Amino acid sequence: GIQVEQSPPDLILQEGANSTLRCNFSDSVNNLQWFHQNPWGQLINLFYIPSGTKQNGRLSATTVATERYSLLYISSSQTTDSGVYFCAGGDDKIIFGKGTRLHILP
Amino acid sequence: EAQVTQNPRYLITVTGKKLTVTCSQNMNHEYMSWYRQDPGLGLRQIYYSMNVEVTDKGDVPEGYKVSRKEKRNFPLILESPSPNQTSLYFCASSMSPGLAGSTGELFFGEGSRLTVL
Repeated sequence: GIQVEQSPPDLILQEGANSTLRCNFSDSVNNLQWFHQNPWGQLINLFYIPSGTKQNGRLSATTVATERYSLLYISSSQTTDSGVYFCAGGDDKIIFGKGTRLHILP
Repeated sequence: EAQVTQNPRYLITVTGKKLTVTCSQNMNHEYMSWYRQDPGLGLRQIYYSMNVEVTDKGDVPEGYKVSRKEKRNFPLILESPSPNQTSLYFCASSMSPGLAGSTGELFFGEGSRLTVL
């Protein structure tokens, strides 16, 4: 089956810093998307991005489907950005990576 | 409000006592899925359903059953729970991810934390 690798596994940043999270897939995938799991456990869909680039405020994402990777950019990070970021993709089976745990220090 | 609703949110039970975690969505989504989340392992898919009466195994289906008799509901059944099923469970739904012209954007419920003693 498809393997999903996320990097880095952990990231600690000062408030205001920028960061890039990466997601690599072992094969081409459909329905690529990014999620944020907040400290209370809620999973929020950030981007549905099978290809191209999207932006939403301080967050943006780029997927290069031909090279089987996606990037999530967080600019001017805030403490509320803390949590775990997951990427996922697939067809009927939507497979998740193990996540990047982000901790933003005030 | 568009949402995926799971119940119960928290449950402590004992080994062997059958339980059902309900999941309901009000977005008319064809696709529904169950995941479990364990520390260090991310989210792993248990079962999914492409539409009414159509279900299939995910990566970790052992010890679980599902049914999809109605489009909006997708209950997860643990016939004889064991301690290794202690986990955080999530239900999710989307439009059909394989259907041309639709998106597979997943919407999650708030999770159900299950402890099996």
